[in-house]
Amino acid sequence: QQQVKQSPQSLIVQKGGISIINCAYENTAFDYFPWYQQFPGKGPALLIAIRPDVSEKKEGRFTISFNKSAKQFSLHIMDSQPGDSATYFCAASTGNQFYFGTGTSLTVIP
Amino acid sequence: DSGVTQTPKHLITATGQRVTLRCSPRSGDLSVYWYQQSLDQGLQFLIQYYNGEERAKGNILERFSAQQFPDLHSELNLSSLELGDSALYFCASSPGEDEAFFGQGTRLTVV
Repeated sequence: QQQVKQSPQSLIVQKGGISIINCAYENTAFDYFPWYQQFPGKGPALLIAIRPDVSEKKEGRFTISFNKSAKQFSLHIMDSQPGDSATYFCAASTGNQFYFGTGTSLTVIP
Repeated sequence: DSGVTQTPKHLITATGQRVTLRCSPRSGDLSVYWYQQSLDQGLQFLIQYYNGEERAKGNILERFSAQQFPDLHSELNLSSLELGDSALYFCASSPGEDEAFFGQGTRLTVV
């Protein structure tokens, strides 16, 4: 059973556009929601994270929007750049375990 | 560089064999997680250790086992290997309950 559902599976965006990746969860015990960025041949790297007591967190061009009632959260990448081309994973944690989404392959076209 | 070191980076072995993957967590991190990443399965949680004790278990096969040593490094043992075990194996460490930092992974190829 997939604890965290992520969509889309792949995404192609023009340079300068907005990339949006969505995740949904069911377990209300989750209290930490990170996003990871993974380049080919590398390990996932923590990009940005949010806790359910806030609805939005912004770090540079990356923003997490969090909707606790809908049990959904999303990553927005503003002014997308070719260097942002990577696989993005959302995750949810209860503290003991991290549950990852299936990943979104983002391609930013110059 | 996340500070998490995994060895070896690549491993090629035959079916039926046994291998050991090693992970050195970031200095001071007590938690170590193991994940398997294959093309069609995403990141699958295998097992977590905290300060030498098993804390959580995910979809880890009985042929696989892990341990965390007193110096906090961890090893993942994979035995009776099958073709389907070919994957990237990641170790992550955490100082507490959040912010998992991943190593570069070990790419295992079973032939």
